[in-house]
Amino acid sequence: EAGVTQSPTHLIKTRGQQATLRCSPISGHTSVYWYQQALGLGLQFLLWYDEGEERNRGNFPPRFSGRQFPNYSSELNVNALELEDSALYLCASSFESWGNEQFFGPGTRLTVL
Amino acid sequence: GENVEQHPSTLSVQEGDSAVIKCTYSDSASNYFPWYKQELGKGPQLIIDIRSNVGEKKDQRIAVTLNKTAKHFSLHITETQPEDSAVYFCAASITGGTSYGKLTFGQGTILTVHP
Repeated sequence: EAGVTQSPTHLIKTRGQQATLRCSPISGHTSVYWYQQALGLGLQFLLWYDEGEERNRGNFPPRFSGRQFPNYSSELNVNALELEDSALYLCASSFESWGNEQFFGPGTRLTVL
Repeated sequence: GENVEQHPSTLSVQEGDSAVIKCTYSDSASNYFPWYKQELGKGPQLIIDIRSNVGEKKDQRIAVTLNKTAKHFSLHITETQPEDSAVYFCAASITGGTSYGKLTFGQGTILTVHP
């Protein structure tokens, strides 16, 4: 069974630009979660999507947004990039009724210059 | 909101020894506690989890214990092997309410197993 996939692997942007990161969940999973892993700061919860709706949001500014498509894949958009947005962005998925067991993808490394 | 503290930040053991990583959480409503292993260049891998209605869970060389009264939980790895070397994260979540879906992570423990 294929795991969570993310693209691109690496993304380099300049300050002020927009970044779009993509995630495909494990087949059969309906929930997608996004986390930011900045150096030395651990994993911070960003967003949770389930059945196409945003269900919960972490303490991040509105320029972090996303959506979930009918096939349950998801996109994370970061507008007006700042240097401190440089981080590994991790996507996880779960079969919601299993009670929050989240399985992570390999991540997208975003570098803002 | 929930806060998870993890100790130690680094742990060095000899192959064959046991390793113990401890976490404390702040929100008594937390009821799900997973542990993740993250190797260099990879995403976190779920290795074991425990729910608040269970005190201990084992899976081969890995075990997790939960003390709800003290609000702490621990990961125990026995007979460590060099391939156990990685960063380990604990997390806590509430499966319900406004915090549903959110895993709150500890800061991680870098485990090094020396051959």
